[in-house]
Amino acid sequence: GENVEQHPSTLSVQEGDSAVIKCTYSDSASNYFPWYKQELGKGPQLIIDIRSNVGEKKDQRIAVTLNKTAKHFSLHITETQPEDSAVYFCAARTGGFKTIFGAGTRLFVKA
Amino acid sequence: NAGVMQNPRHLVRRRGQEARLRCSPMKGHSHVYWYRQLPEEGLKFMVYLQKENIIDESGMPKERFSAEFPKEGPSILRIQQVVRGDSAAYFCASSPPSGQLYGYTFGSGTRLTVV
Repeated sequence: GENVEQHPSTLSVQEGDSAVIKCTYSDSASNYFPWYKQELGKGPQLIIDIRSNVGEKKDQRIAVTLNKTAKHFSLHITETQPEDSAVYFCAARTGGFKTIFGAGTRLFVKA
Repeated sequence: NAGVMQNPRHLVRRRGQEARLRCSPMKGHSHVYWYRQLPEEGLKFMVYLQKENIIDESGMPKERFSAEFPKEGPSILRIQQVVRGDSAAYFCASSPPSGQLYGYTFGSGTRLTVV
């Protein structure tokens, strides 16, 4: 089955700097890659996603890139703000509806 | 649109009791997923259901755990004879029928504590 690895587990940046989170997946048939943000005490919230026929997608300060050959995908957050502090999860879906999540990255943005 | 509703938010059970967790999907969503999150860990897939059908339960322990999504009413995750290791946050998510390439909407979770 699908396996998703995520790095780093913890990331600390200064406000205004960029943050990059990287993930790899094992199943080359995976075709959908969402990213979720989870704040303390809340459920995960979808922040951006990318499909396998696209290499890059951007939404304001957030961008995702996908390298299908290497089975890598990454989340880039520019001009980080304290409210970006949260746990971020990458995920991958193969064919059907079941989604496998990475272990999460705890992002700290220092003011 | 109220989103995915989970209740209760917090549940305390003594070892050996039963825990029942409820999830009402978003309006128009017919697919429900349950995930478990241990403290400081990621989301582990448990089960995927459609109305009156279990589609994939590969992540659910074979004993003590069961799930259903009846024709009427919420999806229920049931844990019988709870043990301390069952303490975790349980999240429900839903997606529309055409949602193979769309993300999930998650509820706020039920935090189960077994004492």
